[in-house]
Amino acid sequence: AQTVTQSQPEMSVQEAETVTLSCTYDTSESDYYLFWYKQPPSRQMILVIRQEAYKQQNATENRFSVNFQKAAKSFSLKISDSQLGDAAMYFCAYGETQGGSEKLVFGKGTKLTVNP
Amino acid sequence: GAGVSQSPRYKVAKRGQDVALRCDPISGHVSLFWYQQALGQGPEFLTYFQNEAQLDKSGLPSDRFFAERPEGSVSTLKIQRTQQEDSAVYLCASRQGRVNQPQHFGDGTRLSIL
Repeated sequence: AQTVTQSQPEMSVQEAETVTLSCTYDTSESDYYLFWYKQPPSRQMILVIRQEAYKQQNATENRFSVNFQKAAKSFSLKISDSQLGDAAMYFCAYGETQGGSEKLVFGKGTKLTVNP
Repeated sequence: GAGVSQSPRYKVAKRGQDVALRCDPISGHVSLFWYQQALGQGPEFLTYFQNEAQLDKSGLPSDRFFAERPEGSVSTLKIQRTQQEDSAVYLCASRQGRVNQPQHFGDGTRLSIL
């Protein structure tokens, strides 16, 4: 079964600085999708960024970028120019592409605090 | 447009009661998912629908949990004879047909069993 591991239960960053959240996963599949979701105290899971495993180029969305290392099964999230509104729980998630359940498998999350 | 809507936002029930949680997906979204999120944990998959067909229910923890989506739109998650370990946030997500599209989540229902 696929597993997702986030080894940092909590992280903190100063406003305007850069922070990197780690995620590793385990799978025997060659094609899959990876996502980072943000969950503020309001509880709604908000998509931050996604990566398709067959694409070598790392995904970027404004201040958010990923470092996808397929061989190492690593998918870290970098947040640049951190803002107070970035404070939230961040979840890494794995999704299969076909042939199996289309569910997402989530890590346990990293709580990000942004200090003014 | 409107996002995924879940109701109620909070539900308190006594142990042994039955509860029903509702999910209204984004209009036109074919796929619908239910997840259970315990305090301080990531969401865990419960079940998945494509239109009205329940294609995967492998995550339902017991036969007390039942989900339906009779017309391929609104879905209801029912928990019978609730137990304290059922206390959690229940998240619903919907997605357009293609698997590479992201799942869009609702605000969840926080269920507390006394």
